[in-house]
Amino acid sequence: SQTIHQWPATLVQPVGSPLSLECTVEGTSNPNLYWYRQAAGRGLQLLFYSVGIGQISSEVPQNLSASRPQDRQFILSSKKLLLSDSGFYLCAWSKGDGQPQHFGDGTRLSIL
Amino acid sequence: KQEVTQIPAALSVPEGENLVLNCSFTDSAIYNLQWFRQDPGKGLTSLLLIQSSQREQTSGRLNASLDKSSGRSTLYIAASQPGDSATYLCAVRGGANNLFFGTGTRLTVIP
Repeated sequence: SQTIHQWPATLVQPVGSPLSLECTVEGTSNPNLYWYRQAAGRGLQLLFYSVGIGQISSEVPQNLSASRPQDRQFILSSKKLLLSDSGFYLCAWSKGDGQPQHFGDGTRLSIL
Repeated sequence: KQEVTQIPAALSVPEGENLVLNCSFTDSAIYNLQWFRQDPGKGLTSLLLIQSSQREQTSGRLNASLDKSSGRSTLYIAASQPGDSATYLCAVRGGANNLFFGTGTRLTVIP
């Protein structure tokens, strides 16, 4: 069966520090991969998605970037965190376009 | 831009009651609609996915309907249980790979 892992589960970082969140999927190949952010009191917002290694699409302009160095690995990064980057970050995968998306347990990021 | 609204924002019901959660969306040109459950501090669990050509999907005590022309979906939960307490999110898929989410309905089932 397929599983998705995100880490860390929680993270507290000072403003201006770098960020790296990692997501890996097991039990499937060539999945679509997604990064979402859930800000307090707001719905989930798609940040990035990837249909293959090295292929990244960004949905909103922001302070973050994403990379997909391996087929089942998706990384969310920032060079300098802002206060507005606080939130709950969720990684998801799907078998393809139009297929159900399956989510990881999320990373709660607090910026001080 | 697609906007997804979920009403009510919060709902409390006694155990055993049947209930309906509502989801509406502004752009009827969708590929599918997905209902999720989110427990506090956790990720999302997919419950049901309805393709744009379908009218409803059922899984156990859950039934989701879709009326694409009117921009509405409902999630019906039969014989609610305390374990059903969670936030329920609906999301519609527009073009490409973008899912547009509502802000959810927080359900509390009282024993």
